[in-house]
Amino acid sequence: GDSVTQMEGPVTLSEEAFLTINCTYTATGYPSLFWYVQYPGEGLQLLLKATKADDKGSNKGFEATYRKETTSFHLEKGSVQVSDSAVYFCALSDNRQTSGSRLTFGEGTQLTVNP
Amino acid sequence: NAGVTQTPKFQVLKTGQSMTLQCAQDMNHEYMSWYRQDPGMGLRLIHYSVGAGITDQGEVPNGYNVSRSTTEDFPLRLLSAAPSQTSVYFCASRASGGGTQYFGPGTRLLVL
Repeated sequence: GDSVTQMEGPVTLSEEAFLTINCTYTATGYPSLFWYVQYPGEGLQLLLKATKADDKGSNKGFEATYRKETTSFHLEKGSVQVSDSAVYFCALSDNRQTSGSRLTFGEGTQLTVNP
Repeated sequence: NAGVTQTPKFQVLKTGQSMTLQCAQDMNHEYMSWYRQDPGMGLRLIHYSVGAGITDQGEVPNGYNVSRSTTEDFPLRLLSAAPSQTSVYFCASRASGGGTQYFGPGTRLLVL
């Protein structure tokens, strides 16, 4: 079945450091890929998405490129802020109508940014 | 437009008790689903629905029941709570044509 693997956390960075959170996936067909963010005590919010190979999703300074050849969707940000401290989830959607396009999530990566 | 709402926000149950977690959305989305979030395991799909009157099992359905009598509501029932069901539960919805899944704020459940 489909699966998503994220780099192990937690990740601790200083403000303005460069961020990379690795994400690789296994899926059949043509999945869509997502990064969700969960701030403390809150639900999940969509951060960015990509629906086909070589698409780049971007939002709030975060970027991720859908790499079919390496089955990866790594999250990057050039300069993190304290307010970026959260848990980040990589996810894929199988886009199959019969399954309701169910989401499969990675384990989540806790990011802490220190001033 | 409230999006996806969930009640209650927090609940404590004793082993063997039953309860229903409520989920509602006002976006006229066909697809709705329930996930549980446990430390180090991401979110796992419990049950989902592709429209009113249609439900199916996800990855971890045991101990949970669902029904979908209206487009707006998708309640999750625990018939006999167990400590292993201590978790944070998220409801989500999505339009039938594809696109983003929207999540509710979550229900934190503690089973003693």
